[in-house]
Amino acid sequence: QVTLRESGPALVKPTQTLTLTCTFSGFSLSSGAMCVSWIRQPPGKALEWLARIDWDDDKYYSKSLKTRLSISKDTSKNQVVLTMTDMAPVDTATYYCAREDRVTLIRGAVDSWGQGTLVTVSS
Amino acid sequence: QSALSQPASVSGSPGQSITMSCTGTSSDIGGYDYVSWYQQHPGKAPKLLIYAVTKRPSGVSDRFSGSKSGNTAYLTISGLQPEDEADYSCGSYTSSATLLFGAGTKLTVL
Repeated sequence: QVTLRESGPALVKPTQTLTLTCTFSGFSLSSGAMCVSWIRQPPGKALEWLARIDWDDDKYYSKSLKTRLSISKDTSKNQVVLTMTDMAPVDTATYYCAREDRVTLIRGAVDSWGQGTLVTVSS
Repeated sequence: QSALSQPASVSGSPGQSITMSCTGTSSDIGGYDYVSWYQQHPGKAPKLLIYAVTKRPSGVSDRFSGSKSGNTAYLTISGLQPEDEADYSCGSYTSSATLLFGAGTKLTVL
């Protein structure tokens, strides 16, 4: 059974750096064709893809947020970490981590999602 | 990169079929057969309904089907049920090897 769980601060101040951790089980990021993405959703708004890290450590970022994002993985701990710098109130959102299984789904789809963590940016 | 375009809302009566659209460009939907659809109930994480334009993951009802024509993808739900009332988002692989989501469509079952 695949599970993912996001953890991190619920409240950050403007200009601070947000660090979120995704802890997963049921698959390995060291085996071929598995990827983990971060996706966010502001309250009442659309999903926005942020970043992805692949099994081979390739990393991809949203063009609009690339300068603020960094993604990394710790395969031994089954964790993926996302950092986002210079947080602002518009970054208030539920942040999800999700798996992309390219063995089964080929690409372009995430099949397992964490429950999400709401991050509020406010002073 | 702008979000894929989806109608803000669609509605239908129980038992009916509805189709919703998702429009992109040749750099995403039109360029690849890697369109996905997600269902999201309030307060819940999205659930994958369709991947690779037409394929359903195990456990997803065959009332949900996907298709694509040019730069536009479609999700059809047949035999509408009250529990289908939810938000639906499309997604597409892009030429930048990223994933792009749609703006979302709210389905109301009358």
